[in-house]
Amino acid sequence: QQQVKQSPQSLIVQKGGISIINCAYENTAFDYFPWYQQFPGKGPALLIAIRPDVSEKKEGRFTISFNKSAKQFSLHIMDSQPGDSATYFCAARGGNFNKFYFGSGTKLNVKP
Amino acid sequence: DTGVSQDPRHKITKRGQNVTFRCDPISEHNRLYWYRQTLGQGPEFLTYFQNEAQLEKSRLLSDRFSAERPKGSFSTLEIQRTEQGDSAMYLCASSPQDTQYFGPGTRLTVL
Repeated sequence: QQQVKQSPQSLIVQKGGISIINCAYENTAFDYFPWYQQFPGKGPALLIAIRPDVSEKKEGRFTISFNKSAKQFSLHIMDSQPGDSATYFCAARGGNFNKFYFGSGTKLNVKP
Repeated sequence: DTGVSQDPRHKITKRGQNVTFRCDPISEHNRLYWYRQTLGQGPEFLTYFQNEAQLEKSRLLSDRFSAERPKGSFSTLEIQRTEQGDSAMYLCASSPQDTQYFGPGTRLTVL
């Protein structure tokens, strides 16, 4: 059973637009929700993360919105740029040993 | 460079051979993770170390896979009797507490 479900699988956005990626989870024991950006041939790099006691976190052009009751969280990229074109993964941490579960990824293409 | 490093970056092997990968975490990070990533998918948890203790191992990991972290510093992941299905990117990440810092990965191709 997939612990974290991510959508959409791919996304095309015009330069300057807003990119929105959504994730949903089932396990209420998850206590930490990071978003990662990955370029081809590279390892994932942390973008921004949130804990479930906070509904929103903003860092520069990146915002996480967190809905604890719906068990959903999303990444918003404001003023999207061609350099943002990458694959984005949401993740959730849970369990006694800090195990991370990743979504299946969203490939973002920002058109100039 | 003080990031997570992995060696080798690429490995091509024949089916049935054994391979070993190395991960050097950021110094003083006591947590270390191994993941496998196939094309178009998110990283899949393999195993987790806190210092030198291997605290969790995925049920997806067959007996052909073994990992060590002697002295709580670098870690190795060995795959014995490789199969074509083992072809993937193997990622290592280290963490002081919450944030995971990933290495560049080792891409394994099994012919």
